[in-house]
Amino acid sequence: DIQMTQSPSSLSASVADRVTITCRASQSIGTLINWYQQKPGTAPKLLIYAASSLQSGVSSRFSGSGSGTDFTLTISSLQPEDFATYYCQQTYGSPRTFGQGTKVEIK
Amino acid sequence: QIQLVQSGAEVKKPGASVKVSCKASGYTFTSYGIAWVRQAPGQGLEWMGWTSGYNDNTIYSYKVQDRVTMTIDTSTSTAYMDIRSLISDDTAVYYCARDLSNEVQDYWGQGTLVTVSS
Repeated sequence: DIQMTQSPSSLSASVADRVTITCRASQSIGTLINWYQQKPGTAPKLLIYAASSLQSGVSSRFSGSGSGTDFTLTISSLQPEDFATYYCQQTYGSPRTFGQGTKVEIK
Repeated sequence: QIQLVQSGAEVKKPGASVKVSCKASGYTFTSYGIAWVRQAPGQGLEWMGWTSGYNDNTIYSYKVQDRVTMTIDTSTSTAYMDIRSLISDDTAVYYCARDLSNEVQDYWGQGTLVTVSS
């Protein structure tokens, strides 16, 4: 299986902060990575697909970058509704695997 | 609008089976596949598999392939996932999600809690 390692596992940040979450794949996956946001008790929501493509309807303060094994999700200016857990997912190999998640909390 | 509506919560005993349904609306069902993802209490996301929306092409995670069957009913735009020989580790919220070609899950159901307990 391709292992996806996110860092940090959690972070505390303030509204308007710039936040960066990283995801490292155990082997090269090209740009076949997605990013999801999940709030407690709700289903995940697609933010970014194919490493850097913004899903329709998602705020432009979210952006993704990277290729190969190292990827980042950036929130340019954290808003109150962005406090959630974020997951990366690779779709290069099977089974598709997710990172362990990064919980973004209010400082 | 695109919606995936899943069946209600289930409580099952170890060794039993459960069938979760996922009814799609707001798009052409046969043009997209359906992925299944589960989440154990307090844990992360686990991809279980993907099934085509128009034929019997299905890809399973090797971790569940011996006990899971994913099917579709195009006449009702509904996807199903059947899990056999349930164990306590199968206790989780099960999600279905629209997924064109087993690469991006763009719309998700609300989740179905399956509890396995004696």
